[in-house]
Amino acid sequence: DGGITQSPKYLFRKEGQNVTLSCEQNLNHDAMYWYRQDPGQGLRLIYYSQIVNDFQKGDIAEGYSVSREKKESFPLTVTSAQKNPTAFYLCASSIQPPETAEQFFGPGTRLTVL
Amino acid sequence: KQEVTQIPAALSVPEGENLVLNCSFTDSAIYNLQWFRQDPGKGLTSLLLIQSSQREQTSGRLNASLDKSSGRSTLYIAASQPGDSATYLCAVPGQAGTALIFGKGTTLSVSS
Repeated sequence: DGGITQSPKYLFRKEGQNVTLSCEQNLNHDAMYWYRQDPGQGLRLIYYSQIVNDFQKGDIAEGYSVSREKKESFPLTVTSAQKNPTAFYLCASSIQPPETAEQFFGPGTRLTVL
Repeated sequence: KQEVTQIPAALSVPEGENLVLNCSFTDSAIYNLQWFRQDPGKGLTSLLLIQSSQREQTSGRLNASLDKSSGRSTLYIAASQPGDSATYLCAVPGQAGTALIFGKGTTLSVSS
């Protein structure tokens, strides 16, 4: 089955801890994205990548980091610098050119700070 | 800066009713508009993608229209069912033409 997988489904972070959220796709898409969803605020872009070894900051990149070493993988690290990380995190992907392409989403990871 | 608004924020209807969800955007220079469905605690499921050159798209009981000049899109759901209960989101590509700008969604509840 083609699609996007995210793991884990639930993640708990202690103060001062870095955690990494996994996103893998087997759709052969070049572009991948990370969004954060908070109640009442909608989805906001954290980072995106249009090609391997290249990525760009989104609207709320502070306290987050990413890597794109493989086409199918785009992990997101939530660092201790992110003061309010409790949220639902969604990964997405699309073909090129992304501005005309349909975006597909994974099932999400819910991160909670203890 | 592109802004996307969805009205109403919540909607409750009895089963069988036809309904319309609204989406408006401030910058009409869009490449496309996408409608999504989100069930509680789940990811987004793409329902329909309308390219800027199209006026509407249909999938089963769903019909989405796009009027770029007025900055509006509607999602029409025919003969609603309890299984249609979910949050519906619309989104358009942002300034860089890549990542999406989302509305806050309309939460639909269909009662049997």
